[in-house]
Amino acid sequence: DVKVTQSSRYLVKRTGEKVFLECVQDMDHENMFWYRQDPGLGLRLIYFSYDVKMKEKGDIPEGYSVSREKKERFSLILESASTNQTSMYLCASSPSDLADTQYFGPGTRLTVL
Amino acid sequence: QKEVEQNSGPLSVPEGAIASLNCTYSDRGSQSFFWYRQYSGKSPELIMFIYSNGDKEDGRFTAQLNKASQYVSLLIRDSQPSDSATYLCAVNTGNQFYFGTGTSLTVIP
Repeated sequence: DVKVTQSSRYLVKRTGEKVFLECVQDMDHENMFWYRQDPGLGLRLIYFSYDVKMKEKGDIPEGYSVSREKKERFSLILESASTNQTSMYLCASSPSDLADTQYFGPGTRLTVL
Repeated sequence: QKEVEQNSGPLSVPEGAIASLNCTYSDRGSQSFFWYRQYSGKSPELIMFIYSNGDKEDGRFTAQLNKASQYVSLLIRDSQPSDSATYLCAVNTGNQFYFGTGTSLTVIP
């Protein structure tokens, strides 16, 4: 069974703080993704990575950065959190074929005050 | 135009009925199509995927794909209250994965 874990289920931060969200997958998947999900807007892709140290911008990368130093770990960084980054953050991974299924972690509900 | 469009619902069906969920997509080159189920407060979980035109059945679920019409659907037979969730359609164009905003389904006991 594919397992994708995220470092926190719930997180509360203050405006201006630097926030790290971590994601780990145990299936040796090549591709990893970060999404945010907001009511009425669905899932929106922030960044994805198809290999270690490689990253590609998604649809809404502004205000975010990512790091992939090891194959199994993909981190999302909010350099200076803002209230409009309050959201559910979902990490996903998929095998080498980008057309393949994405498997999701449990999500992190981030609130920025 | 959005890459993937779904009717947001809510769709309500009585227990035991067939629930029909629909999705259209804009990129004719799309290669693979997925249905995810998402319970409130939880992450999406894969139900089915389909690559070829026609029907694909898995238990009570049937996915239907019509590439000419750029249409994919999910049928849930013998709907149960536990099927109440939001169903996300996803499409892989070869370059990127796109999700619809989801259809909320309620199965009434």
